[in-house]
Amino acid sequence: EPEVTQTPSHQVTQMGQEVILRCVPISNHLYFYWYRQILGQKVEFLVSFYNNEISEKSEIFDDQFSVERPDGSNFTLKIRSTKLEDSAMYFCASSPLVLDRVMGQPQHFGDGTRLSIL
Amino acid sequence: KQEVTQIPAALSVPEGENLVLNCSFTDSAIYNLQWFRQDPGKGLTSLLLIQSSQREQTSGRLNASLDKSSGRSTLYIAASQPGDSATYLCAVRPPSWGKLQFGAGTQVVVTP
Repeated sequence: EPEVTQTPSHQVTQMGQEVILRCVPISNHLYFYWYRQILGQKVEFLVSFYNNEISEKSEIFDDQFSVERPDGSNFTLKIRSTKLEDSAMYFCASSPLVLDRVMGQPQHFGDGTRLSIL
Repeated sequence: KQEVTQIPAALSVPEGENLVLNCSFTDSAIYNLQWFRQDPGKGLTSLLLIQSSQREQTSGRLNASLDKSSGRSTLYIAASQPGDSATYLCAVRPPSWGKLQFGAGTQVVVTP
């Protein structure tokens, strides 16, 4: 069964450094999402992306965050200047387009990237 | 503001018992509700998706019900097995582009 793949599985970086998290969504999916889960807390929505632009973003997704689809297969999340509180598991998800019924489609998640900020 | 709650936070049952996991949400204006399984340190595996117009969805030993007007969904897992041990999350989708709003999960342990 097709999967969402995320790399790396674990990223350790110094506070203030830039980090890029990578995702390869399921190949025929057109809607992409990033979520994060701080240890012991709920999964939180960050951003959704369709047709090369952001559809929706949360309050967490401030100017330090950006997303990009640099080619036909990858979807990336960049954090420009990491803070200690950015330490979390970051999940990428994708969902297909079936006519206009995207909202009725399930979201499929990757295994996540554990980001540790030192 | 939508709040999603899952009770209990943790549950331990002997193998063979049926599991009943509850999810409640405060705003009934949802598009659908999705149940996930999360193993420790792993991603989210989608189990079932119920559209707002549906009352029930079934997949194998799993059955999920939805009562949108009362803001509740229940996930039933029949004849539990040790392999069912995991955290189960519910998430609602509001009528917007697509963000899911998650509950905190119910951690399930099935003892042999």
